Amino acid sequence: AQSVSQHNHHVILSEAASLELGCNYSYGGTVNLFWYVQYPGQHLQLLLKYFSGDPLVKGIKGFEAEFIKSKFSFNLRKPSVQWSDTAEYFCAVGGNNRKLIWGLGTSLAVNP
Amino acid sequence: DGGITQSPKYLFRKEGQNVTLSCEQNLNHDAMYWYRQDPGQGLRLIYYSQIVNDFQKGDIAEGYSVSREKKESFPLTVTSAQKNPTAFYLCASSTRQGQSEQYFGPGTRLTVT
Repeated sequence: AQSVSQHNHHVILSEAASLELGCNYSYGGTVNLFWYVQYPGQHLQLLLKYFSGDPLVKGIKGFEAEFIKSKFSFNLRKPSVQWSDTAEYFCAVGGNNRKLIWGLGTSLAVNP
Repeated sequence: DGGITQSPKYLFRKEGQNVTLSCEQNLNHDAMYWYRQDPGQGLRLIYYSQIVNDFQKGDIAEGYSVSREKKESFPLTVTSAQKNPTAFYLCASSTRQGQSEQYFGPGTRLTVT
């Protein structure tokens, strides 16, 4: 069955700490990978995406993610978080003309 | 401004009443989606539509209905058959299903008492 697993449900960090949020998937065929972010009171928006090419993708606000095909993973990273990164983060996996499968989300709280 | 609008932002209904949530997009996207977001459960797909006059059930379609008479509009009706309708509902659109990013509206928080 297709699924997306986000390992951390709640993460609490201090400002300037490094962040890594795990995402593993089970999905047959060619995959398109996404990280979305939902800041408090705001729309869900795209953070970054991977379709093909360089497996290390950079997104907005200093975020990056690495696609490791052999591990079926697409982990999100940021070297130094800020208070404004407090949000909920969702990993999603899609394929050609197939619906997106979403992870349950990770709630990140950054303490100033 | 291009984007997706959902109205209203907050909606209150009595149990047993049907209620329709509005979703409009001016992005010229073919595909549109309705999700339900509950704490700790991520986004669950209710219905989606890839073209006008066509739509498919998602993972939790029971108790919901949709229509897609116009490319820009994809209203969702929460019927009285939906056992637990209180939730945050998100509408999204994309150029093509699965291959492109989805753009989201601000959501409608429905409370049924």
